[in-house]
Amino acid sequence: NAGVTQTPKFRILKIGQSMTLQCTQDMNHNYMYWYRQDPGMGLKLIYYSVGAGITDKGEVPNGYNVSRSTTEDFPLRLELAAPSQTSVYFCASTSETGIQPQHFGDGTRLSIL
Amino acid sequence: EDKVVQSPLSLVVHEGDTVTLNCSYEVTNFRSLLWYKQEKKAPTFLFMLTSSGIEKKSGRLSSILDKKELFSILNITATQTGDSAVYLCATGGGANNLFFGTGTRLTVIP
Repeated sequence: NAGVTQTPKFRILKIGQSMTLQCTQDMNHNYMYWYRQDPGMGLKLIYYSVGAGITDKGEVPNGYNVSRSTTEDFPLRLELAAPSQTSVYFCASTSETGIQPQHFGDGTRLSIL
Repeated sequence: EDKVVQSPLSLVVHEGDTVTLNCSYEVTNFRSLLWYKQEKKAPTFLFMLTSSGIEKKSGRLSSILDKKELFSILNITATQTGDSAVYLCATGGGANNLFFGTGTRLTVIP
């Protein structure tokens, strides 16, 4: 069982470039989340989705966009990358938020230079 | 505003010691409190607590929740070097997501 899979694992971008971080889960979970984790800090929620076609902003959504066209996939798009977006990005999913634990992918380490 | 505060921020102990990690919270429509262990990659789930006073145990790790005082503790007995990690506390409330603390970095010295 693969769980939550994130690609790529590492990426270096130049300022102003765009990219999409991929996240897919095979547990048929409705709830999916994108977090970023800066060095020495906890996880901050960027966007989340409660089901296909439904997304909402989290705590730090500026500079990011998401879509949820299927239950399995929840890509995160960075437009016009900035150095402040250098971070580790985690995708997570759960069957029922607040009741069941979230399962995390291994993360994408992104550097903006 | 939802808030989760963990203490201490970091802790260095010797193998065999017992440690207690603290998590206090303020969250709207509290549903659960979760503990995760994070080594080099993704956080891995340890415990979910929803009721006060009921201890959850897994081997040398245990945790308990006090909903009146709004805190939880994570105990690790007979620590091993493999326990070295960042321990994250998170609360699940009514906002369809988890709110994380900044974590406690535990280092266990042989």
